[in-house]
Amino acid sequence: DGGITQSPKYLFRKEGQNVTLSCEQNLNHDAMYWYRQDPGQGLRLIYYSQIVNDFQKGDIAEGYSVSREKKESFPLTVTSAQKNPTAFYLCASSIDRDGTYEQYFGPGTRLTVT
Amino acid sequence: AQSVTQPDIHITVSEGASLELRCNYSYGATPYLFWYVQSPGQGLQLLLKYFSGDTLVQGIKGFEAEFKRSQSSFNLRKPSVHWSDAAEYFCAVVAFSGGYQKVTFGTGTKLQVIP
Repeated sequence: DGGITQSPKYLFRKEGQNVTLSCEQNLNHDAMYWYRQDPGQGLRLIYYSQIVNDFQKGDIAEGYSVSREKKESFPLTVTSAQKNPTAFYLCASSIDRDGTYEQYFGPGTRLTVT
Repeated sequence: AQSVTQPDIHITVSEGASLELRCNYSYGATPYLFWYVQSPGQGLQLLLKYFSGDTLVQGIKGFEAEFKRSQSSFNLRKPSVHWSDAAEYFCAVVAFSGGYQKVTFGTGTKLQVIP
């Protein structure tokens, strides 16, 4: 079955450590996205990528970095510069070429930094 | 810049009752609009979408939404709510700028269903 996988589901880190969240899709989608979700704030866009080796900052990119070396993979690194990294992180992808822009979401990773 | 407002943070309905979740958007051109549903600790699932044409769109799980340009609204409805509909619902709009498309989500409405 095609879909988006995010691993791990729960992640715990000490303050000051960088951590990388995995996102893989086998839907052959061109575009991929990372969102951060906090209670009462909906989804906020961190980074997005519409083609391999190209990505754009979203609304809250500070303290985060990404790479897009393969179409299937869009890992997100939460750096020690992110002041409040504890949150639920969602990865999504979309095909775009068919003009629908519907996003497909992974199950999310809950990151806790102490 | 585009924006989406979901004025109701939390709604409680009785099982079997009708449901309407409100969504207002701000965007200069014809919007692409979506409703997504999220169960606790899970990702989002698309319920329905509007691009053009018929302003009343049907989605999965018995949901429908009506696009009203004059009111800048895209409200989600269901005639009879089931306990399994308890979840958080997000409205979203797609905007296009500089060759890129960006999705903006509302802050969500949490639905509680009581017996």
